[in-house]
Amino acid sequence: DTEVTQTPKHLVMGMTNKKSLKCEQHMGHRAMYWYKQKAKKPPELMFVYSYEKLSINESVPSRFSPECPNSSLLNLHLHALQPEDSALYLCASSQDPQGRGYGYTFGSGTRLTVV
Amino acid sequence: DQQVKQNSPSLSVQEGRISILNCDYTNSMFDYFLWYKKYPAEGPTFLISISSIKDKNEDGRFTVFLNKSAKHLSLHIVPSQPGDSAVYFCAASERGQNFVFGPGTRLSVLP
Repeated sequence: DTEVTQTPKHLVMGMTNKKSLKCEQHMGHRAMYWYKQKAKKPPELMFVYSYEKLSINESVPSRFSPECPNSSLLNLHLHALQPEDSALYLCASSQDPQGRGYGYTFGSGTRLTVV
Repeated sequence: DQQVKQNSPSLSVQEGRISILNCDYTNSMFDYFLWYKKYPAEGPTFLISISSIKDKNEDGRFTVFLNKSAKHLSLHIVPSQPGDSAVYFCAASERGQNFVFGPGTRLSVLP
């Protein structure tokens, strides 16, 4: 298995909803990442987990809450989002256990729309 | 202030010809660089990397050149194929941490 799987592929949520994005990989990668990508913009790093511990939080608002239950799973919990949070949310993983980002594998993303 | 720039938002090339995508960076501490390809509705796909100890890295039809003094790198695709049509992102980092992505260049390879 050489893929990063993200579910759901599409999500529409209201501003008062609570939802979660899921990411899974079985490549033995010990670093996992959440990126946010707005239309026609490059991906922006949100969080980095290394050995299931949060190592980088790029000043992301608290309405985004990451969780890494084990080495294969990464969740992003969403609560009280704003319409401007609508974007493609990408998960990635890499072999490098220090989370330095060598050899990324990206998932295909979750297209989130906040209404 | 963009630390990684891709000044051509789009590029069209005839099939079989060479595609050259350019990337400039401002942070002299960047020492590891990646190129990604992204199709619509998909996540980016890693293409090729280069570290600052090299000035060239080749993988099949893809070659990346790094000019450290000019803070410039380029991706050459030879020969270009219609399936190469996608958005190409350049990404740079210091010691592979906290990659900064460029804005992307949309490549169209015309049959």
